[in-house]
Parts: sequence; C-alpha cells; structure tokens
Amino acid sequence: ETGVTQSPTHLIKTRGQQVTLRCSSQSGHNTVSWYQQALGQGPQFIFQYYREEENGRGNFPPRFSGLQFPNYSSELNVNALELDDSALYLCASSLAETGGFETQYFGPGTRLLVL
Amino acid sequence: AQSVSQHNHHVILSEAASLELGCNYSYGGTVNLFWYVQYPGQHLQLLLKYFSGDPLVKGIKGFEAEFIKSKFSFNLRKPSVQWSDTAEYFCAVTVTGGGNKLTFGTGTQLKVEL
Repeated sequence: ETGVTQSPTHLIKTRGQQVTLRCSSQSGHNTVSWYQQALGQGPQFIFQYYREEENGRGNFPPRFSGLQFPNYSSELNVNALELDDSALYLCASSLAETGGFETQYFGPGTRLLVL
Repeated sequence: AQSVSQHNHHVILSEAASLELGCNYSYGGTVNLFWYVQYPGQHLQLLLKYFSGDPLVKGIKGFEAEFIKSKFSFNLRKPSVQWSDTAEYFCAVTVTGGGNKLTFGTGTQLKVEL
C-alpha cells in the first residue's frame, strides 16, 4: 500500500462540463503531482504542487488547474471537458528533499470518461 | 526537453525465461531513473530507482537494472520470470534541477505464459 488515495474511482461526464478529482497524499509527504494516462500511453505530467503552490507544469492548457491544501491533499480541476480528456488521472505524492532525490508514489487513479 | 523510449511494446515469455526490457532516455545532464510496474487492476508501483552510485541497482521481486551513461540506457532485467510478473512496465526519468517531473516511456506490456 502506497497510502495515496484518490476519489472518485470512476467518473462519466459530458463534453463541456467541469470535473474535480481529489487526492490524499501519503503520510509525511509534502508534494503532489498529477499525471494523465491515456489508453496505451505512459503517464503525462500535468503539474506539481509544493507547499500549496504550483511548482512546475507540463504541456496542458489552463483549463487544467489544481489546488493543494494545508494538509497536503490536492484537487485537479478540469473545465470545459473535451472528448480527449478521457483518461486515467493519477496522483503521486513525494517528500521534497534537498538535491531533488525524490521518489513519487502513485495512487490508484480516477478513470474519467467524457461523452 | 527530456524523453524516454521503450522499444519493446509487447513481450511474451514463458515462465523461467530471462527478461530484458530496454529503456533509453535523451537528456545531456544529470538524471534520476526509475522503473514502475502496473499489475492488472492495480496502481503504479515502484520497482527500482537509480539516483547515483553503483550503476547496477536491485529492486523488488528479483528485478535489477543497469545504468549505462554512455548509452543513455537503463535496461530492466530479471533472470527468471514468473507468471505473476505479467504486467505493464514503465521506465521514467527526472532531471536534476528540473522540478522532479517524471517523464515516462510508453510502457512495455509483458505477458508471461505458463
């Protein structure tokens, strides 16, 4: 068990709607990263949060946004959903350390289907 | 920007066969390297990682990987696979000073037959 939990496990939305996905990080971790995994692909980095601030962003449009809370849990929000947003969304938590020698531990993911 | 290539997309082996999955990355600076595994119906789990030191790293379940800097490679090996090793394997890299963003390869689907 990694200790990272995500909710919900599955979600069906229609094009144009908005969705919020949630993640609780592993105990003792202070950094949360979000990834999108399309079918047959490796996970793609969306963004990372450290101490409640965005700390790096991948090649995703601004309609993908996030939050990190004081307890280090996090939300991923996607506005104006498109069909291509259908994917498994993964949350990973880690402990930021000097030198960057971090290991990210993944949650089970939320599978989003956009119709 | 860094990238990761996994050349074998699907591999089928018989139990007890040896395994080697290829992973190459493109980046000229200092990298940290990872192999993750995703068993059917389960979440991504860390198999092993390399940050520095001995380029031959050992992970869980008898897996090992060797970092060859001159070849930009980090191949995963196991001397004798088991049916329970059936899973998807992902190689990933972070770049020192790059914000600890994991860049993944496209994955290798391994099927081990009895």
